[in-house]
Amino acid sequence: GESVGLHLPTLSVQEGDNSIINCAYSNSASDYFIWYKQESGKGPQFIIDIRSNMDKRQGQRVTVLLNKTVKHLSLQIAATQPGDSAVYFCAERLGAAGNKLTFGGGTRVLVKP
Amino acid sequence: DADVTQTPRNRITKTGKRIMLECSQTKGHDRMYWYRQDPGLGLRLIYYSFDVKDINKGEISDGYSVSRQAQAKFSLSLESAIPNQTALYFCATSDPRLVPETQYFGPGTRLLVL
Repeated sequence: GESVGLHLPTLSVQEGDNSIINCAYSNSASDYFIWYKQESGKGPQFIIDIRSNMDKRQGQRVTVLLNKTVKHLSLQIAATQPGDSAVYFCAERLGAAGNKLTFGGGTRVLVKP
Repeated sequence: DADVTQTPRNRITKTGKRIMLECSQTKGHDRMYWYRQDPGLGLRLIYYSFDVKDINKGEISDGYSVSRQAQAKFSLSLESAIPNQTALYFCATSDPRLVPETQYFGPGTRLLVL
């Protein structure tokens, strides 16, 4: 069935280091993936997306990698800052299901000064 | 996101009570969604609506109902609240014509059922 999961529930990272958050998905028919950031007391906010016909996409300080062979998605944050402390979710969309998203359980990133 | 608002932000109710959570948006999006979030779990879809005349069940619709009163408003009701409906509830909107094709979330409603 459709499922999205994360390997690490909590990630502690030193300020200035790079962060890598991983996500596994199970549905090979998913055509679109999104990473969201959720800060305390707020709703999830869009960070970056990637379509299934791509394997890498870069934004400002963030990079998403997609490996369809092993159904794996990762989010890399360069030079992690205190403001990056949050819970990060990956989400997948099954193309035939319209814009319905299936979310992973989330990874909490704690940035140490 | 200030364009998607939810009321109330916090609610405490008792088992058996009927409550309504409201969502309004000024984004002009046709598609709206209700999710619940539990500790350690991702968001799970309760109901969604692709336009005013369209209502669809999500993966966990039992015990919930919705009403799409207008393009801008989508309400979630708990007909008879139970303690395991204690959770954080999010409303979201989307427009399939936009890039990125993301959903925009409200700030959430924290619900406690005693």
